[in-house]
Amino acid sequence: GNSVTQMEGPVTLSEEAFLTINCTYTATGYPSLFWYVQYPGEGLQLLLKATKADDKGSNKGFEATYRKETTSFHLEKGSVQVSDSAVYFCALNAGGTSYGKLTFGQGTILTVHP
Amino acid sequence: EAGVVQSPRYKIIEKKQPVAFWCNPISGHNTLYWYLQNLGQGPELLIRYENEEAVDDSQLPKDRFSAERLKGVDSTLKIQPAELGDSAVYLCASSSLATETQYFGPGTRLLVL
Repeated sequence: GNSVTQMEGPVTLSEEAFLTINCTYTATGYPSLFWYVQYPGEGLQLLLKATKADDKGSNKGFEATYRKETTSFHLEKGSVQVSDSAVYFCALNAGGTSYGKLTFGQGTILTVHP
Repeated sequence: EAGVVQSPRYKIIEKKQPVAFWCNPISGHNTLYWYLQNLGQGPELLIRYENEEAVDDSQLPKDRFSAERLKGVDSTLKIQPAELGDSAVYLCASSSLATETQYFGPGTRLLVL
């Protein structure tokens, strides 16, 4: 079946540090890949997405590249801010008979200190 | 543009009581989803609607959970009777046919005592 595995958290960084959150997936076919972010007390917000191999999604300084050869979609940001503190979820939409069903990883808590 | 609206935001009930959650999707979005998010976990799909039709309810525990989307707009998810293990956040999301991006509401946090 389809699955997403994220690096375990929590991740604690100082402001302006480099961020990487690892995400690998298992899926049949050619899934679309997503990163969602959940700020405290709020719903999930789409951060970025990529729909085919070698696509790079980017938003708000965050980037992730769809790597089919390593089945990965790692999230990166060059310089984090305190306001980036949130829970980050990697997800996939496998398409086909599973179209519309997002499969999520367990989430990674990020805390950024001043 | 208004986002996905859910109510209530919080609900505390005793076990064996019924409970209902309401969701109003983004205007014009044909597809509506209900997800269950347990503490420390990612959301898991319960049911997906295309307009009024439930096209994927394979993960919905039908012995105690039910859902409806009359008129293909807002939706209600019900649990009867609630169990202690149902304590979680219930998320609603919607999307349009033109894009696979799902937009989530703030969720309803349920506590069953």
